[in-house]
Amino acid sequence: EAQVTQNPRYLITVTGKKLTVTCSQNMNHEYMSWYRQDPGLGLRQIYYSMNVEVTDKGDVPEGYKVSRKEKRNFPLILESPSPNQTSLYFCASSFSGREGYEQYFGPGTRLTVT
Amino acid sequence: KNEVEQSPQNLTAQEGEFITINCSYSVGISALHWLQQHPGGGIVSLFMLSSGKKKHGRLIATINIQEKHSSLHITASHPRDSAVYICAVTYSGGGADGLTFGKGTHLIIQP
Repeated sequence: EAQVTQNPRYLITVTGKKLTVTCSQNMNHEYMSWYRQDPGLGLRQIYYSMNVEVTDKGDVPEGYKVSRKEKRNFPLILESPSPNQTSLYFCASSFSGREGYEQYFGPGTRLTVT
Repeated sequence: KNEVEQSPQNLTAQEGEFITINCSYSVGISALHWLQQHPGGGIVSLFMLSSGKKKHGRLIATINIQEKHSSLHITASHPRDSAVYICAVTYSGGGADGLTFGKGTHLIIQP
């Protein structure tokens, strides 16, 4: 089954404790992105990757890092999490179709930083 | 980045009603997406379109490039259609990095 997986799905952590949220896709998509979703603000892009070893900042990259060492994986790293990073995070992958980039989203990771 | 505006923000309707959700944007786009998010659930792509109209079951999406406007219609609405519907656009010249989202329309269909 074609899918994007994220782990963990739920995480409660404390300020300053480094964490990684994994994202993996099995569709051989070149493009992958991370988004956060906050009430009243909607979805905002954190980072994106256009291929292996090619990453760039989205709209809200501060406090986050990413890496793309393999095509299928795109982990999101919070080196020193803070309470304002409490949010719902989505990973997505996409490919270039006839009309544009069709998006496939992971199930989401709900992160709470205390 | 330019904004994507959706209306209404909230919509409550009775089962069977015809539903319309609107999306407008300010500059040229290469594609527009309609997404669905159920409470506590993930996000599913319903449509991606760059012109005209698409239909999938009871869902219809239209786009008017000249007016920079798109609509999502649901015919014969059902309680299982209750969800947040999100419009997103890829601006012209942008690739997978150019996705900008509206804030979503929270739809409730009452039995």
